[in-house]
Amino acid sequence: DSGVTQTPKHLITATGQRVTLRCSPRSGDLSVYWYQQSLDQGLQFLIQYYNGEERAKGNILERFSAQQFPDLHSELNLSSLELGDSALYFCASNKGLAGGDTQYFGPGTRLTVL
Amino acid sequence: SQQGEEDPQALSIQEGENATMNCSYKTSINNLQWYRQNSGRGLVHLILIRSNEREKHSGRLRVTLDTSKKSSSLLITASRAADTASYFCATDALAGRRALTFGSGTRLQVQP
Repeated sequence: DSGVTQTPKHLITATGQRVTLRCSPRSGDLSVYWYQQSLDQGLQFLIQYYNGEERAKGNILERFSAQQFPDLHSELNLSSLELGDSALYFCASNKGLAGGDTQYFGPGTRLTVL
Repeated sequence: SQQGEEDPQALSIQEGENATMNCSYKTSINNLQWYRQNSGRGLVHLILIRSNEREKHSGRLRVTLDTSKKSSSLLITASRAADTASYFCATDALAGRRALTFGSGTRLQVQP
């Protein structure tokens, strides 16, 4: 158990809908990272937040947004969902600013868009 | 885009044998990490090797890094059925965005 929690575990929704994925980092970690894992694209970095502020951006679509709250939990919002957004979404956390340090991953949220 | 590419894509061995996976990457790095993922689960960090290190050991794991060839290998000795998983290398690029870039992974199947 990494200490990172994600909810929900599974999410099934329809095209055009909006969903929110939630992540709680390990105790003491200030950075949260979001990743998307799909069969065709592999594991793609989406975005990093550090202590409430956006720190680094990856291949995140404009339809997706994220935020980190004062209690350090983070939410990833996916809107106008398309079939191709079906994937596993992971969050990870670590203590510092440096995204290149060891990251601790949550169990993921499996999103299915029908 | 993928910074690292693992080779082979899939590997099947018998329990007790050694498994070797390779990773090649494109840009200069601060460090390279290996992660393991059981089917559909979260990734688990295995080992981190810095750019000024050439070899590192952790239990049955041995990682090598050749920065001149931009490649790394992960050796799992005396494999067990429980080692069955996908293994990913991840690089922390020296320049630009400080975020891990993951390779495409090697699926390891260890037959009991």
